[in-house]
Amino acid sequence: DTEVTQTPKHLVMGMTNKKSLKCEQHMGHRAMYWYKQKAKKPPELMFVYSYEKLSINESVPSRFSPECPNSSLLNLHLHALQPEDSALYLCASSQQITGFTDTQYFGPGTRLTVL
Amino acid sequence: AQKITQTQPGMFVQEKEAVTLDCTYDTSDPSYGLFWYKQPSSGEMIFLIYQGSYDQQNATEGRYSLNFQKARKSANLVISASQLGDSAMYFCAMREDNAGNMLTFGGGTRLMVKP
Repeated sequence: DTEVTQTPKHLVMGMTNKKSLKCEQHMGHRAMYWYKQKAKKPPELMFVYSYEKLSINESVPSRFSPECPNSSLLNLHLHALQPEDSALYLCASSQQITGFTDTQYFGPGTRLTVL
Repeated sequence: AQKITQTQPGMFVQEKEAVTLDCTYDTSDPSYGLFWYKQPSSGEMIFLIYQGSYDQQNATEGRYSLNFQKARKSANLVISASQLGDSAMYFCAMREDNAGNMLTFGGGTRLMVKP
């Protein structure tokens, strides 16, 4: 089973709202990722958690706040977003195998619209 | 310089025919993995196939095969017997051994299968 789930599928929020995106995997993977994808572009890495610790933060604005409560869950807390933050947000997970063979498996994404 | 280049922004293929999607890469790391993902309009990134830099044989997964030419630094995806459901965006990606969890994506190729 290579399933990563994400909720909600769609989210519309105002610039003053606070919302959260959720991601879950039950494959025993120890690395989890957040990506942002704009239309007709490849995904851009935002954050990486490895063994529940933040290992990569790609200079993401502080209005995006990741959280990894346990090895199966990954949240992305959103606050005071801008319209340009509207995008598809993808979660992924991988086994965290040392080296270059570690395959990332993606969830279905959350389509976020900021009004 | 771009690490992953996909030179075909869009392609058409007739149903039941084979199609090749191009991918060239640039790395000085001798250890790396190459991945292909499919992204339908629904948004989910679906892992298709993997090729490691030390693999002697080209990877195959069902109708997907990877034409790996290491000296030319190319990793083209071949889809045999195209189906209407193959219409999607296809991304080539690379993970270098010295880059940790980073996955570098190409710009993508939109494949459209004609009935």
